[in-house]
Amino acid sequence: AQTVTQSQPEMSVQEAETVTLSCTYDTSESDYYLFWYKQPPSRQMILVIRQEAYKQQNATENRFSVNFQKAAKSFSLKISDSQLGDAAMYFCAYRSSYGKLTFGQGTILTVHP
Amino acid sequence: ETGVTQTPRHLVMGMTNKKSLKCEQHLGHNAMYWYKQSAKKPLELMFVYSLEERVENNSVPSRFSPECPNSSHLFLHLHTLQPEDSALYLCASSQEYTDTQYFGPGTRLTVL
Repeated sequence: AQTVTQSQPEMSVQEAETVTLSCTYDTSESDYYLFWYKQPPSRQMILVIRQEAYKQQNATENRFSVNFQKAAKSFSLKISDSQLGDAAMYFCAYRSSYGKLTFGQGTILTVHP
Repeated sequence: ETGVTQTPRHLVMGMTNKKSLKCEQHLGHNAMYWYKQSAKKPLELMFVYSLEERVENNSVPSRFSPECPNSSHLFLHLHTLQPEDSALYLCASSQEYTDTQYFGPGTRLTVL
């Protein structure tokens, strides 16, 4: 079974600075998808970024980018120019080729003004 | 309404009550999901429906009963719940079963 591990229960960053959230996963599959979701205090889970395993190029979405290391089974999220609105719980998720989505435990990100 | 909506947003019920959670997606998707989010635990997938047929049931107790009358609506019927069932229940949908999932705002359930 696939597992997703987020080793940082909490992280903090100063506004306008850069922060990196870590995620590792375990799988025997070669074809899969990885996601970062953001859950602010409003509780709405919002998709931040998505990465296809067959693509070597790291996904980027405005201030959000990933460092995908397939051999190391690592999928970290970098947030540049952090904003107060980035404060939330961030979940890393793995989706197998047959659809099941597995989430990590989450990382609480605090942004200090 | 846009995206995925859930009602009610908050629900308090006794252990002998019967209630239902409703989810509606306005995205034209074919797959819908129920997740349970408890404190300090990863999200747990409960049920998956694809084209109105249940394709996954992850050992969920029978006191939770899903219903998917059409591809836009998903219900979770609750009866004789336990206090440990108190959690945030999230609904999600995706274009197909293997596509990116989009979530609703959740229903915060408290069982007394």
